[in-house]
Amino acid sequence: DTGVSQNPRHKITKRGQNVTFRCDPISEHNRLYWYRQTLGQGPEFLTYFQNEAQLEKSRLLSDRFSAERPKGSFSTLEIQRTEQGDSAMYLCASRDQGVDYGYTFGSGTRLTVV
Amino acid sequence: RKEVEQDPGPFNVPEGATVAFNCTYSNSASQSFFWYRQDCRKEPKLLMSVYSSGNEDGRFTAQLNRASQYISLLIRDSKLSDSATYLCVAKAAGNKLTFGGGTRVLVKP
Repeated sequence: DTGVSQNPRHKITKRGQNVTFRCDPISEHNRLYWYRQTLGQGPEFLTYFQNEAQLEKSRLLSDRFSAERPKGSFSTLEIQRTEQGDSAMYLCASRDQGVDYGYTFGSGTRLTVV
Repeated sequence: RKEVEQDPGPFNVPEGATVAFNCTYSNSASQSFFWYRQDCRKEPKLLMSVYSSGNEDGRFTAQLNRASQYISLLIRDSKLSDSATYLCVAKAAGNKLTFGGGTRVLVKP
């Protein structure tokens, strides 16, 4: 499979627990994005990496959220002390530099905080 | 006010009919525009880019009006498989895509 891979597909966690999601982009894509989507809304930008450098973070990304992309390959998104409002679909996308339209999304990780 | 706004619908469309809907964007610095399609509980997938001169891809036609800052999508000869949420996307210089809330289309036999 040469697409964007996200794991896990689903995560149910208790409020206050920490969770970590993983995204494996398309191998030749140097740009990686995290988005969050709640029911009935469009995806909202969270953060963006070019290779291993995190170049932009949304105000939506509170102090409880951290993202990394060591070695410029896969990325992880961690949420500490989860809250019910964190329940959403977390989408990862990647694209190749210079290709304006070629954003490929993964299937997402659906987080439910109970 | 959201940066990209869409009528959430749903647009109930008889099979074979034509449906059209718009989205408006507020960031005049937006340079690139796209329509994405999203099926229920699936990831968004690029449907088509939107060019200033307007462009067509099979039964789908996209138009851009920079002066009024809106984008449109028209679907001709609607198929049952066209039922989905259509996400309008604007991109300014830089890298992030800004999505609208989506327009839901239901094609019925």
